[in-house]
Amino acid sequence: GDSVTQMEGPVTLSEEAFLTINCTYTATGYPSLFWYVQYPGEGLQLLLKATKADDKGSNKGFEATYRKETTSFHLEKGSVQVSDSAVYFCALSDLGSNDYKLSFGAGTTVTVRA
Amino acid sequence: DTGVSQDPRHKITKRGQNVTFRCDPISEHNRLYWYRQTLGQGPEFLTYFQNEAQLEKSRLLSDRFSAERPKGSFSTLEIQRTEQGDSAMYLCASSLGGGSGSPLHFGNGTRLTVT
Repeated sequence: GDSVTQMEGPVTLSEEAFLTINCTYTATGYPSLFWYVQYPGEGLQLLLKATKADDKGSNKGFEATYRKETTSFHLEKGSVQVSDSAVYFCALSDLGSNDYKLSFGAGTTVTVRA
Repeated sequence: DTGVSQDPRHKITKRGQNVTFRCDPISEHNRLYWYRQTLGQGPEFLTYFQNEAQLEKSRLLSDRFSAERPKGSFSTLEIQRTEQGDSAMYLCASSLGGGSGSPLHFGNGTRLTVT
């Protein structure tokens, strides 16, 4: 079945450091790929998405590129802030436009120190 | 837009008891989803409604679980004869239709602890 494997945490960084969270996937079709973020005390929020190979999703300074050849969707941010401290989830949907049935990774906890 | 609301935020119950959770989606959203998240794991899909119709159920949803959305607005998730393995965060999400322009909006979840 479809699955997502993401980098284990926790990850602790200093402010303005570069952040990368690795995510690889297994899917039978052509999935859409997502990054969700969960800030402390809040619900999951969509951070960015990409629906086909070579697409780049971006939001709030975060980027991820859909790499079909390496089945990856790594999340990057060039200069993190304390407010980026959160749990980040990589997810996929292999249902084309019906992206409700998401398969999530286990999540990566990121803590940014001032 | 008040977001997706879930009630209660926390529920502690004894094994064997029944529990019911409520989800109020964003008002114009016609799709509603339930997910379950255990500690250290990502959310897992349980079931999904389009308006009042329950269109899909995961095999994770045993016979002790039932979900309803009677008027196509709020939804309830009931767990009968709870077991310790049911302890988890139960997440509700809603969206407006399908397609790439309709992301899921998640609530803050109901944390269930079965003692």
